[in-house]
Amino acid sequence: GENVEQHPSTLSVQEGDSAVIKCTYSDSASNYFPWYKQELGKRPQLIIDIRSNVGEKKDQRIAVTLNKTAKHFSLHITETQPEDSAVYFCAASINTGTASKLTFGTGTRLQVTL
Amino acid sequence: NAGVMQNPRHLVRRRGQEARLRCSPMKGHSHVYWYRQLPEEGLKFMVYLQKENIIDESGMPKERFSAEFPKEGPSILRIQQVVRGDSAAYFCASSPTGNTDTQYFGPGTRLTVL
Repeated sequence: GENVEQHPSTLSVQEGDSAVIKCTYSDSASNYFPWYKQELGKRPQLIIDIRSNVGEKKDQRIAVTLNKTAKHFSLHITETQPEDSAVYFCAASINTGTASKLTFGTGTRLQVTL
Repeated sequence: NAGVMQNPRHLVRRRGQEARLRCSPMKGHSHVYWYRQLPEEGLKFMVYLQKENIIDESGMPKERFSAEFPKEGPSILRIQQVVRGDSAAYFCASSPTGNTDTQYFGPGTRLTVL
């Protein structure tokens, strides 16, 4: 089955700096890669996603890049703010035609300091 | 994603009791996924259901766990004879179709087994 690895497990940046979180996946059939942000005690919230037919997607301060050859994708947050502090999860999904369960990475705890 | 409803939000059970967790998908969504999140860990897929059908239960423990999504009413995840290791947050997600569509998560049910 699919395996997703995520690094780093913790990341501390100063306000205004950029943060980068990286994930690798094992199954070349994966074709959908969402990123979720989870604040303490809250639900995972989708912040951005990318499909295998594009290499990069951007939404304001957040961008995701995908390298299908190397089977890795990354989340980039620019101009970080204290409210960006949370746990971020990457995930991958394989389109089997009938099911699209998400396989999650182990999470990155981002701390944005003043 | 605020439309995915789960109840109860918190559930306390003693060892050997049964736990029933409910999930109502977003309006217009007919696909439901259940995930389990242990403390300080990522989300693990359990089961994927459509109305009256289990599509993929590859992540469900073989014993004591069952899920259903009846024609009328919410999806239910049932855990019989709970043990302390079942203590976790259980999230459901819904999507309008099953093939790589975005999954929106509910607020979760936090199960504590005493």
